[in-house]
Amino acid sequence: NAGVTQTPKFRVLKTGQSMTLLCAQDMNHEYMYWYRQDPGMGLRLIHYSVGEGTTAKGEVPDGYNVSRLKKQNFLLGLESAAPSQTSVYFCASSFRGWNTEAFFGQGTRLTVV
Amino acid sequence: AQSVSQHNHHVILSEAASLELGCNYSYGGTVNLFWYVQYPGQHLQLLLKYFSGDPLVKGIKGFEAEFIKSKFSFNLRKPSVQWSDTAEYFCAVTYYGGSQGNLIFGKGTKLSVKP
Repeated sequence: NAGVTQTPKFRVLKTGQSMTLLCAQDMNHEYMYWYRQDPGMGLRLIHYSVGEGTTAKGEVPDGYNVSRLKKQNFLLGLESAAPSQTSVYFCASSFRGWNTEAFFGQGTRLTVV
Repeated sequence: AQSVSQHNHHVILSEAASLELGCNYSYGGTVNLFWYVQYPGQHLQLLLKYFSGDPLVKGIKGFEAEFIKSKFSFNLRKPSVQWSDTAEYFCAVTYYGGSQGNLIFGKGTKLSVKP
């Protein structure tokens, strides 16, 4: 049972390049989330989804887009990467939005130069 | 805005010392509370959670936390730390009826345990 799997684990981008981060979960969870982690800032929510075909903005959505075409996958896109997007990105999923715990992926370390 | 405060940025302890990490959330209402741990280079793992019932919650690896509703607090404790507890600890809260279960995290407390 893989849980939450993120691809890739590391990536270096040049400013202005685009990329997509993939998150896959095999727990049949309805809710999925993308967070970024920066030193001294904790984790901040970028976007989330409460079910297949739905997405919503979190605390820091600017510069990112997401899609949830299949229940098990949640994609995070950067259309034009900026150095300020250098961060560690974590995907998480949960069965529902209340009285449930979230399970996290291993993270993607992204550097934008 | 909803927020979570962790009082200590970095805590340094010797092995066998007792640990208490403070966590406060911004206002009342019905909440779910969590403590996550992140070992160096790894993802977040759940230490313990509070949904309802007994406000004293026991988690993995000998950790426990106490929910005090009147103080909006959920402090993490361990009677005797080990070197292997060196990690970063995050308190998080979900508010009922608010943001679809989104976890709001504190900024984290780094724990260093000296052997």
